[in-house]
Amino acid sequence: SAVISQKPSRDICQRGTSLTIQCQVDSQVTMMFWYRQQPGQSLTLIATANQGSEATYESGFVIDKFPISRPNLTFSTLTVSNMSPEDSSIYLCSVETRGTEAFFGQGTRLTVV
Amino acid sequence: GQNIDQPTEMTATEGAIVQINCTYQTSGFNGLFWYQQHAGEAPTFLSYNVLDGLEEKGRFSSFLSRSKGYSYLLLKELQMKDSASYLCAARDNYGQNFVFGPGTRLSVLP
Repeated sequence: SAVISQKPSRDICQRGTSLTIQCQVDSQVTMMFWYRQQPGQSLTLIATANQGSEATYESGFVIDKFPISRPNLTFSTLTVSNMSPEDSSIYLCSVETRGTEAFFGQGTRLTVV
Repeated sequence: GQNIDQPTEMTATEGAIVQINCTYQTSGFNGLFWYQQHAGEAPTFLSYNVLDGLEEKGRFSSFLSRSKGYSYLLLKELQMKDSASYLCAARDNYGQNFVFGPGTRLSVLP
């Protein structure tokens, strides 16, 4: 298994500002993912964080809005830039181990006012 | 395209059995997963099927039919703590991405 520490757990931010979310894993993992979960909905993949190269973004998500860093095999950050109320959501980082199940961080509950 | 369907909400009684169905269409297939998510918490892994048939794990069982693109999660001897959302997720052929269904919100009543 993998233990994931994600912070902050929640934040209230002013529109137009940016928030960086951190994800720390207790072991080296190849694949790290960032998801968004809007209220009452399921998880939507934002991007795959690749170590040593640019993140791979899903349709509808762009690097300028959600820049991602992956400096090593245990750490990643997601920044939500130039926030608007529509960005209010839960953001989750996830890792996979042994090629099977995914493990999730505790999530960051973001409210943009 | 990729699409996963499951019922939005279900209600069952404590002590009963409930079956949550999931149908999927993905670009290739490399496993079907079920996750449990309590309100305000992160999803936690429940089960994994990659071959046809039934996988049993205590009160929880999961079934897969690859030819039908169909899975179900069976919960026995329901407890109040089983009230949660249950997410069906399929893994694509590249084995990298999970596609999550909309989730089924299960309410267990006394």
